[in-house]
Amino acid sequence: DSGVTQTPKHLITATGQRVTLRCSPRSGDLSVYWYQQSLDQGLQFLIQYYNGEERAKGNILERFSAQQFPDLHSELNLSSLELGDSALYFCASSVSWGPNQPQHFGDGTRLSIL
Amino acid sequence: SQQGEEDPQALSIQEGENATMNCSYKTSINNLQWYRQNSGRGLVHLILIRSNEREKHSGRLRVTLDTSKKSSSLLITASRAADTASYFCATDGNDYKLSFGAGTTVTVRA
Repeated sequence: DSGVTQTPKHLITATGQRVTLRCSPRSGDLSVYWYQQSLDQGLQFLIQYYNGEERAKGNILERFSAQQFPDLHSELNLSSLELGDSALYFCASSVSWGPNQPQHFGDGTRLSIL
Repeated sequence: SQQGEEDPQALSIQEGENATMNCSYKTSINNLQWYRQNSGRGLVHLILIRSNEREKHSGRLRVTLDTSKKSSSLLITASRAADTASYFCATDGNDYKLSFGAGTTVTVRA
């Protein structure tokens, strides 16, 4: 058990809809990362927050947004969903933000767009 | 885009044998990490090797890093059925973002 909790585990919705994925980091970790894993694109870094502030941005679409709250949990909001957004979304956490930081992953949210 | 590329894509071995997989990357790195992913689960951090290190061990795992060739290898010795998983290398550049390869799928046969 990594200590990172993601909810929900599965989400099925339709095109055009909006969903929110939630992540609680490991106790003591200040950094939260979001990744998207799909068969064709592999594991893609989306965005990182450190202690409530955006730290780094990756291949995150404008339709997607995230935030980290004062209690350090994070939410990833996906809107105007398209079929191609179907993927596994992972949250990871680490103690700090810099290099030399092993990341601890949750078990992901599987998003299916119908 | 993926900086790290693992080779081979898939590997099937008998229990007790060693498994070796390689990772090549394109740009200079600060660190290289290896992760394991069991089917349907999140990634588990295995080992981190810094750019100034050449070899690192953790239990049955041995990782080497050759920055001149921009490559790393992961050796799992005396494999077990529980080692069946996908293995990913991840590199970080100057922006500290982790870039993952496509992974090597390892199957350990009993």
